[in-house]
Amino acid sequence: GQNIDQPTEMTATEGAIVQINCTYQTSGFNGLFWYQQHAGEAPTFLSYNVLDGLEEKGRFSSFLSRSKGYSYLLLKELQMKDSASYLCAVMDSNYQLIWGAGTKLIIKP
Amino acid sequence: ETGVTQTPRHLVMGMTNKKSLKCEQHLGHNAMYWYKQSAKKPLELMFVYNFKEQTENNSVPSRFSPECPNSSHLFLHLHTLQPEDSALYLCASSQEAAGANEQFFGPGTRLTVL
Repeated sequence: GQNIDQPTEMTATEGAIVQINCTYQTSGFNGLFWYQQHAGEAPTFLSYNVLDGLEEKGRFSSFLSRSKGYSYLLLKELQMKDSASYLCAVMDSNYQLIWGAGTKLIIKP
Repeated sequence: ETGVTQTPRHLVMGMTNKKSLKCEQHLGHNAMYWYKQSAKKPLELMFVYNFKEQTENNSVPSRFSPECPNSSHLFLHLHTLQPEDSALYLCASSQEAAGANEQFFGPGTRLTVL
């Protein structure tokens, strides 16, 4: 079967760095997406990785290792507004997104 | 504002009611999606429309009936729902269904079935 695993909840301190991991097993691979979802709001796109390596976009970076079925989202200089759920999703061979259950990130002052 | 709107934002209905959820996208996309989001569970893909044609129906019960009159509008008709159908229903759109395209989501309809 297809499976995406990510931690249920993480806590970090304002100004610090946090890494959210995602491991996957899917039927085929056409890229991995990270989305951010604030409570009561729509998920919004953060990043897309299809090749191995690190993609940096401001305070957020995303890493992919296809051989290990592994990705992480790195958030630097954490701000209170970064408190949200972070969703990992893999696009399978049929171009369908397979989603993880999301990681709720709590930022403390 | 993602360019995808959904109405209503909240809906409470009894098990014998009939209601419809509406989604509209202003992005010129050709693919539209319905997802169900339950607490602490992954998003569940329900239906996919590509160029107004339904291309995916992930074993969704017949009490959920989608309609896509054009590439900009998507409806989800609801009838004889069960309490376990209570969830957040998200609509999304993308350039097209085939290809690694980013999906843009609406804010969702919070549905409660009594």
